[in-house]
Amino acid sequence: DAGVTQSPTHLIKTRGQHVTLRCSPISGHKSVSWYQQVLGQGPQFIFQYYEKEERGRGNFPDRFSARQFPNYSSELNVNALLLGDSALYLCASSLITGTNTGELFFGEGSRLTVL
Amino acid sequence: GQQVMQIPQYQHVQEGEDFTTYCNSSTTLSNIQWYKQRPGGHPVFLIQLVKSGEVKKQKRLTFQFGEAKKNSSLHITATQTTDVGTYFCAVRRAGSYQLTFGKGTKLSVIP
Repeated sequence: DAGVTQSPTHLIKTRGQHVTLRCSPISGHKSVSWYQQVLGQGPQFIFQYYEKEERGRGNFPDRFSARQFPNYSSELNVNALLLGDSALYLCASSLITGTNTGELFFGEGSRLTVL
Repeated sequence: GQQVMQIPQYQHVQEGEDFTTYCNSSTTLSNIQWYKQRPGGHPVFLIQLVKSGEVKKQKRLTFQFGEAKKNSSLHITATQTTDVGTYFCAVRRAGSYQLTFGKGTKLSVIP
């Protein structure tokens, strides 16, 4: 079975531009989370979606938005890019049973460079 | 939000030496997870601890959850070069689906 897939793997943008990152979860996983990882730091939580609804939002500005589609894939959008948005953006899927989200399965990530 | 302190930030060991990383929280945790991220890779789940005082072993790795469920440790016996990477603990606030990661401990193993 395929793992979590993300696209694109690498991209370069300039300040002020917009970016869309895509994620396909593991088959059967209905929850998708997005994390930002700056070099040398731990992953920082951005969003979690479950059954197409936002279930959690981290401390990120409104320039960051996301959505989940009926097939449980997800998009992360970032508007008005800043140099500080340069990072590895990780998508993770998980099974949720009750209040236990279980382990996160991460994709390889999308490395965004903002010039 | 949920905060976890992870120490040390870096650890350099000679191959064959032991290694331990610690994760501490100011609040009681419902559970804790540990992940490993190889250089250039993505985090990979290692284990989840749920019960107070729980100890789990995976070959040379030993994971412990404190009695008060406020701290946890990961111990590697006789490190190997394949252990190189950054080890993260991750915790969840009660009633929340959000998983918060520590800053990680970067392990270097000198052959």
